[in-house]
Amino acid sequence: EVQLVQSGAEVKKPGESLKISCKGSGYSFTTYWIAWVRQMPGKGLEWMGIIYPGDSDSRYNPSFQGQVSISADKSINTAYLQWSSLKASDTAVYYCSRLRSIPTRPDYDYWGQGTLVTVSS
Amino acid sequence: QSALTQPASVSGSPGQSITISCTGTSSDVGGYNFVSWYQQHPGKAPKLMIYDVSNRPSGVSNRFSGSKSGNTASLTISGLQAEDEADYYCSSFTSSSTYVIFGGGTKLTVL
Repeated sequence: EVQLVQSGAEVKKPGESLKISCKGSGYSFTTYWIAWVRQMPGKGLEWMGIIYPGDSDSRYNPSFQGQVSISADKSINTAYLQWSSLKASDTAVYYCSRLRSIPTRPDYDYWGQGTLVTVSS
Repeated sequence: QSALTQPASVSGSPGQSITISCTGTSSDVGGYNFVSWYQQHPGKAPKLMIYDVSNRPSGVSNRFSGSKSGNTASLTISGLQAEDEADYYCSSFTSSSTYVIFGGGTKLTVL
């Protein structure tokens, strides 16, 4: 069974750093792209970027470039989303998802359960 | 890049059919047959319902269908059921540097 299991909810202060994770199982982790998607409270979905765990090739939405970093450790089937300095506006639920085909096709067939990140002083 | 345009809400009675539209441009919806639709229940992760405009993943009911005309894609749900009440999002490849763009979402209410 394909599963993406994300790390738990986080409460952080502005300026702090954070790294959340997404562990894949039940499939060949290195041969499918993983995307990160943001959902701010009461709002819609926003595509942040993707990574190919096989070679760590990554692409970013320009709106998020420089604000976050996407990485992967294929030895432990885990993808990461990282901030070096959080802002209150980063408060959101973050989902990882598996891309069933190629980056030009937005067909994400499996999703993690979401990680709620709350940034507040 | 602005989100794809969806109606904020639609509603229908059990057994009826509804259609949700998703309007973009020739740089996204109109230019490529790479449109997907997602269903999201409150507090849950999105679920892929349609990909490549009109294809259903295994396990998705055939009550869900997708189509496209010009710059507008559509999701039709026939034989509405109570469990269809959810938010629905379209997404498309875009030739801009963002790769993927989502619609603003549509809340479906089953009356």
